Amino acid sequence: GAVVSQHPSWVICKSGTSVKIECRSLDFQATTMFWYRQFPKQSLMLMATSNEGSKATYEQGVEKDKFLINHASLTLSTLTVTSAHPEDSSFYICSARKLAGVYNEQFFGPGTRLTVL
Amino acid sequence: QKEVEQDPGPLSVPEGAIVSLNCTYSNSAFQYFMWYRQYSRKGPELLMYTYSSGNKEDGRFTAQVDKSSKYISLFIRDSQPSDSATYLCASPDSWGKLQFGAGTQVVVTP
Repeated sequence: GAVVSQHPSWVICKSGTSVKIECRSLDFQATTMFWYRQFPKQSLMLMATSNEGSKATYEQGVEKDKFLINHASLTLSTLTVTSAHPEDSSFYICSARKLAGVYNEQFFGPGTRLTVL
Repeated sequence: QKEVEQDPGPLSVPEGAIVSLNCTYSNSAFQYFMWYRQYSRKGPELLMYTYSSGNKEDGRFTAQVDKSSKYISLFIRDSQPSDSATYLCASPDSWGKLQFGAGTQVVVTP
């Protein structure tokens, strides 16, 4: 199998606080992990690409100082939403690409629902 | 213009019918194609991936690719209410980033 977990699955925080979301590939090594956000009834929007041991590459319009990404190992990447505001409320999903994948398959985590009050 | 176009639906079918989903793409460099299923408030689940033109079957699912017309399809036979979800087509670009369609919401009514 190819299982990706995310923690927490749901978080509520106060405006101005920071929230960390973890993404783990449980049964495979991932060269690359991706972070997406998704608004209701919309498709996934790629925020950043993270490679183990190097700095993340952010998509245009995504504030790198607000969305801190760390990819410490081949099985773990974290997204920290700093100084969160209500407009950051969204569904955040990570995906992991298999190290030896033939088709560049990406396997997605279950998502984290962030609500900022 | 998005590189992958997909009708967002919703597509409503009676239980047991065939669900037909399709996408078009504009980038000739796309080589691989994936179909993901996403239930509400869940992450996308990889259903099928294909490389070459033609059909690929897996249980009740058939994925079809026509590279000459840049058209990809997914068929679900004997649809069940549990198939109600959003289906996303996608293809990785040259940087490995998945280019998604908008997703088609499918509703299978009992």
